Formats: sequence, structure tokens, C-alpha cells
Amino acid sequence: EAGVAQSPRYKIIEKRQSVAFWCNPISGHATLYWYQQILGQGPKLLIQFQNNGVVDDSQLPKDRFSAERLKGVDSTLKIQPAKLEDSAVYLCASSPHGTSGIFAQYFGPGTRLTVT
Amino acid sequence: AQSVTQLGSHVSVSEGALVLLRCNYSSSVPPYLFWYVQYPNQGLQLLLKYTSAATLVKGINGFEAEFKKSETSFHLTKPSAHMSDAAEYFCAVGAGNMLTFGGGTRLMVKP
Repeated sequence: EAGVAQSPRYKIIEKRQSVAFWCNPISGHATLYWYQQILGQGPKLLIQFQNNGVVDDSQLPKDRFSAERLKGVDSTLKIQPAKLEDSAVYLCASSPHGTSGIFAQYFGPGTRLTVT
Repeated sequence: AQSVTQLGSHVSVSEGALVLLRCNYSSSVPPYLFWYVQYPNQGLQLLLKYTSAATLVKGINGFEAEFKKSETSFHLTKPSAHMSDAAEYFCAVGAGNMLTFGGGTRLMVKP
């Protein structure tokens, strides 16, 4: 079974530029997550999708970050314009849908963003 | 609300020695608990999970963790460290299909 795919793996941009990250979850996984992991810290949830609907985006800086999952499969996270403090690894994860309980999340390799 | 505290941002052990990584949690509902490992330049890989079945959970690579409700702990152990265990380890608490991660513990293994 293929894992969560992300691209690009690395990106360097200047502040005020825009950038987009792509994620393809594990086939059949209804739930998709984007996390921000700053160096030396644990991942922080940015947004959670259930199919193509947003479940939680309370920690997404909506003035500059946006995300979509139009067909309920792959997803794109965009930053526009980028700030120096956005330098981090952006992780995508997916999990199966369930009506009860909680399922483990499966993570992609991440995209390392450096803003100069 | 959920939170996780991992005691010790860095732990160093000798090869063959016991590994003990500490995790304490806070949760307003019965928790689901996870340990993930992250190797350099890679995503997080699930080691094990507790979902209210047996309190002693066995995971991959010889790791196990014990859920202790009275101590609100979920410490990760491995009887004998291997060089390949050197990585960053994250404890997480889940509720409603959402995870809250601790700050991580970097495990170093000395030859």
C-alpha cells in the first residue's frame, strides 16, 4: 500500500513570496491533516479535512494560509505572502474515517520550507 | 482540552541499555495515546497506540508503553537500545480524531 505522498520535499523562497505544497493521502483515507512542525517542536495542526469539507481550521493563519481538498482526495496548502517565521516542515497526514473511536494518523515525509 | 508533556528533550543511553522516554498527558475525556518516531528528514512513523484495550501496548521495533491512568502517564520503553533507535520520539494524545503532540524527545544511542 502506498503511503502519503508530498511534494516538493524542499523549498526555499524569499519573504513575501508565495508557495504551495501538495499532498496525496493513502487511498481510501477520508481524513486529511496539515501540520506545521517548527524545528525542535512537535507538529501543530493547521487544518483537518473530512472528505472535501473542513473539520477544524482554528489554528490556520487565514490571513496568509489557505488549503483546499476539492475532490476529497489530494490537497494543496498555500502560503501567500510568506514570512520568516513560516520556516518549518509542513507535514501531511491521513487516517481512515470511522464513526467511533480514533484511528492512527499516517504521515508523509514532509516539505521543508525555508523563508529567507 | 488535551495536552502532552514529554520530560527530557534529550535522552542519551548506551547501546544495549534500557530506553525510557517519559510522557504525561492531560485529557478531559478518556484518552487515546500514541507514540511516533521521526528519523532525520522523514515524516512521523507510528510506533504504537493505546485505545482503551490492554494497558500494556506492544509496538514495532521492540518498543512498548504502559498506560497508567492514576499517574496520567504513557511512558515508552525498550529493554535494549540499538544504534538504529537514535531518532526523535513524539507522544500524542487523541480525541475526536485529532492529535495533540508533545514537544518531542531526542534519543541518542552511544556505542
